[in-house]
Parts: sequence; structure tokens; C-alpha cells
Amino acid sequence: EVQLVESGGGLVQPGGSLRLSCAASGFTFSRYWLNWVRQAPGKGLEWVAIINQDGSEKYYVDSVKGRFTISRDNAQNSLFLQMNSLTADDTAVYYCARDDWTFDIWGQGTLVTVSS
Amino acid sequence: QSALTQPASVSGSPGQSITISCTGTSSDVGSYTLVSWYQQHPGKAPRLMIYEVTKRPSGISIRFSGSKSGNTASLTISGLQAEDEADYFCCSYAGGYAYVFGTGTKVTVL
Repeated sequence: EVQLVESGGGLVQPGGSLRLSCAASGFTFSRYWLNWVRQAPGKGLEWVAIINQDGSEKYYVDSVKGRFTISRDNAQNSLFLQMNSLTADDTAVYYCARDDWTFDIWGQGTLVTVSS
Repeated sequence: QSALTQPASVSGSPGQSITISCTGTSSDVGSYTLVSWYQQHPGKAPRLMIYEVTKRPSGISIRFSGSKSGNTASLTISGLQAEDEADYFCCSYAGGYAYVFGTGTKVTVL
């Protein structure tokens, strides 16, 4: 079964850091670009970041540039999102999603809450 | 990157057809055929319903169809069913390896 499973979410204070992980299975992980997409409580979807197959290309939405870093480990079939200098506006469910010029496979999401 | 514009809500009776619009700009929807639609039930992850404007993934009902004209894409749900009640989001490639989502539409089956 093709699957993505996120982990690492939780409660963090403003200014803090958190690292999200996404474990993939059921497909050839190294062949695909991968994304992080987030959804604030009661709000719409927002694309956050994308990484190419070997990790040499990374792109971000303006609001997280310089604070978030997307990375991957093809040997471990894993995607990561390092989030620094977090603010309340970063509170959201974070989804990893496989990219095939569309978001064809999604994980179940992991909730990040930024609050003191 | 501004969000694509969708109506906040659309409703219809069972068996009817409804259409959800998704308006962008000449830099996103108007420039690419990479428009997709996602269905999201409460507390669940989004699910791909339409990709590349008109294509349906395996397992998606033929009741779902997509189209595009200029800077506006549309999702039509025919033969509306109770299980279609959900939030729907459009998404477009915006160039520079970036994507932009729509504001979302809540579909209610009356």
C-alpha cells in the first residue's frame, strides 16, 4: 500500500523549533519530488515547501523562507521539515504529499501548535 | 502568491449538479494545465479528485469532472450524493516550483 505517515508535531513555544518527519512506503521514494502542505485550524490549504528527488533543489513559500528547511533521506524513505523561529501563524496540521505535478498521495497530517 | 478564489459555499439537492469555480491569474491557472482538485472531509487528509484540469485518478467517480477557461477552473459534481458533502480545494502550479491553493468551498447536500 502506498503510504505517507507524518510524525513529530506537538506544542512548542513561540520562537522555538520543531522537526517533522514523513515516512514513506509502497512506492519508489527516490523517484518523486515531495512537498509539505499545511492547514491552519478551520482554514484552507497552504503549500509550504518542495524538494526534488536527490535533495539538491528546494523551494519555499515566502512566509517560511529562512526559517524552515526541507530535506530527505532516500536511504530511509523519509522526508523532513525543520522549523525554526516558530510563531503562532505557523500553528497548523502539516501534511507531506507526493508530487507528480499534482499532490496524489497525502499523509494523515501532524498537528503543530505554537503557543506559550 | 495569493490564494485562488473559490466561493465559500455551494449547495445542491441529491441528484443535482453543482459547479465550483476557482479563479486565479495569468501567472497560475491561466498559464498551466496543472490544475487539480481535492476533497476533504472533516478531520481527514485531502484526497485528489481531479488533476491536470480534467483527469480523474483511478477510483474517482465519473460524476466528478473538471474544466478550465482562461484564468478560471471549475469542478462539476453531477448526481450529487450525500457523501459528496465536504470541503473542496483547487490548486494550481504557479511557476518556479511553487503551488497555490484555492480558498476552499464547503459543499452542502440539502
